[in-house]
Amino acid sequence: DTGVSQDPRHKITKRGQNVTFRCDPISEHNRLYWYRQTLGQGPEFLTYFQNEAQLEKSRLLSDRFSAERPKGSFSTLEIQRTEQGDSAMYLCASNELRDSPYEQYFGPGTRLTVT
Amino acid sequence: GQQLNQSPQSMFIQEGEDVSMNCTSSSIFNTWLWYKQDPGEGPVLLIALYKAGELTSNGRLTAQFGITRKDSFLNISASIPSDVGIYFCAGPNYGGATNKLIFGTGTLLAVQP
Repeated sequence: DTGVSQDPRHKITKRGQNVTFRCDPISEHNRLYWYRQTLGQGPEFLTYFQNEAQLEKSRLLSDRFSAERPKGSFSTLEIQRTEQGDSAMYLCASNELRDSPYEQYFGPGTRLTVT
Repeated sequence: GQQLNQSPQSMFIQEGEDVSMNCTSSSIFNTWLWYKQDPGEGPVLLIALYKAGELTSNGRLTAQFGITRKDSFLNISASIPSDVGIYFCAGPNYGGATNKLIFGTGTLLAVQP
């Protein structure tokens, strides 16, 4: 088991550009979560999937953000028309509802810098 | 909403010292998780607690689930330089069905060799 992976690890973009991040969860984990972490803060929940269904979105997830998990495996998070306030670490986590419904396993994150 | 406050905010200790930190909530949690985060990396799960009063160890780490269910404690014995990082407590939000995690404010630990 290779753990949760995220790509890219770092992304620098200019304001107004679109960016897309990818997360590959631990295999056979049916729940996948996205969090955002700004400097000096703990991660904050953005959205989560159970299999391919997106079941909850935080109010932090403006309409410029969209997430998908088309086949219930990997997920993508897209940010359109990026703003400087979007600069943060974007973290993905996964777990298996039956085995450990509360313990979430995080990937290394994608650090986004919007200039 | 649920909030988690951690103290101390930061700690600067000598290698070999023991460390204690805590996490308090304004509301009851039924599960407590402790994570460690290294710079530029994602949080790594250290310990999970599921029952009030429970004491659980993972090597030199020991965590306790407070009796009131509104707090949790993490102790690190005989600290070493690789213990450096930010320690977060977290608990699932029971307001919805997601079990999304609410994270604390973090405790920064620095260990001087």
